[in-house]
Amino acid sequence: EAQVTQNPRYLITVTGKKLTVTCSQNMNHEYMSWYRQDPGLGLRQIYYSMNVEVTDKGDVPEGYKVSRKEKRNFPLILESPSPNQTSLYFCASNPSGRADEKLFFGSGTQLSVL
Amino acid sequence: AQTVTQSQPEMSVQEAETVTLSCTYDTSESDYYLFWYKQPPSRQMILVIRQEAYKQQNATENRFSVNFQKAAKSFSLKISDSQLGDAAMYFCAYRSRSGYALNFGKGTSLLVTP
Repeated sequence: EAQVTQNPRYLITVTGKKLTVTCSQNMNHEYMSWYRQDPGLGLRQIYYSMNVEVTDKGDVPEGYKVSRKEKRNFPLILESPSPNQTSLYFCASNPSGRADEKLFFGSGTQLSVL
Repeated sequence: AQTVTQSQPEMSVQEAETVTLSCTYDTSESDYYLFWYKQPPSRQMILVIRQEAYKQQNATENRFSVNFQKAAKSFSLKISDSQLGDAAMYFCAYRSRSGYALNFGKGTSLLVTP
């Protein structure tokens, strides 16, 4: 089944403890992206990647890192999480990053930073 | 950056009735795409309908249709014969052909009453 898989679905952590949210897609997509969703703000893009080793900042990249060493994986790294990074995170992908292609979303990761 | 405005934080509709969700956007571009996404309590992001800006004809998908007014920069979603399963958060989103991010509105929470 074609899908974008995020892990974990829920995560509670403490301020300053490094964490990684994984994202993997099995559709051979070139384009992958991370969004965060906050109440009253909708979804905002954090980072995106057009291909292996090619990443770029979205609208809210501060406090986050990403890497794209393999086409299928696009992990989101929080080196020193803070409470304002408590949010619902979505990974998404599509074949080549074109606007007319369907964007496939993962199931989301609810992160709480205490 | 393009902005997407959903002026109705919450809407309510009775089962079998029709409801319209509003969305306006601000852009200086002429080539772009507009989307409506549904997010049920499961948190999954589900594409409901898509509109290409250069197409005059309004998109329809079964009970879902849009009223796209390009000059007014308006993109409303009409849900006909509302069903209990339509209850969800609905997000309007914009993406330019040349951009790499979906710009989301803040969402409208739709309640469907029996």
